[in-house]
Amino acid sequence: SYELTQPPSVSVSPGQTAGITCSGNNLGNRYASWYQQKPGQSPVLVIYHDNKRPSGIPERFSGSNSGNTATLTISGTQAIDEADYYCQAWDSGTVVFGGGTKLTVL
Amino acid sequence: EVQLVESGGGLLQPGKSLRLSCGASGFTFDDYAMHWVRQRPGKGLEWVSGIDWNSYSVGYADSVKGRFTVSRDNAKNSLYLQMNSLRAEDTALYFCAKTIGAYLDNSGTSIDYWGQGTLVTVSS
Repeated sequence: SYELTQPPSVSVSPGQTAGITCSGNNLGNRYASWYQQKPGQSPVLVIYHDNKRPSGIPERFSGSNSGNTATLTISGTQAIDEADYYCQAWDSGTVVFGGGTKLTVL
Repeated sequence: EVQLVESGGGLLQPGKSLRLSCGASGFTFDDYAMHWVRQRPGKGLEWVSGIDWNSYSVGYADSVKGRFTVSRDNAKNSLYLQMNSLRAEDTALYFCAKTIGAYLDNSGTSIDYWGQGTLVTVSS
């Protein structure tokens, strides 16, 4: 079965740029989405179709997808961005989520 | 405003059955594919099942295939998940989720709205 691999944790200082990667075989040949989930809350879509931001998502969130890796980039990271982030893709009739990355802003 | 409200969760013994429901409002329900996604306590997101706009195409995770059945009633703006032969590892918060497209395919599987979830606990 298809797998998406994310680093368990990423740390960033406030105001700096955070990058969260998601790796999968030929991931660049399919759309990647990213979700933010804060404790006790439902996930929120922050990027879809590799690099599109839904309405209401700040411009500091951006995405890219090429080869075997999709990347979520948060520019000018703020304390409110501290959360778990999950990538997601479609493969052979199933939806696949990455294992999640805990972003710590310190 | 899009709203997805799950119901039907509870505490039950292994081997039992349960039916989850999701009531949708604020959008044209039969224009979109829908999914069930679960999250075990303290763990990540796990896709469970999906169904396209007219129930023609459905999909299941290997972990639930043959035990769970997804369905929808577009006239009632409702999504369902029939869960049979429940196991302890099915214990999770189950989210109802709306996609951005009508079909179960590469372009439409991003989930733009999530419910608050309904908790299913399987324990003897």
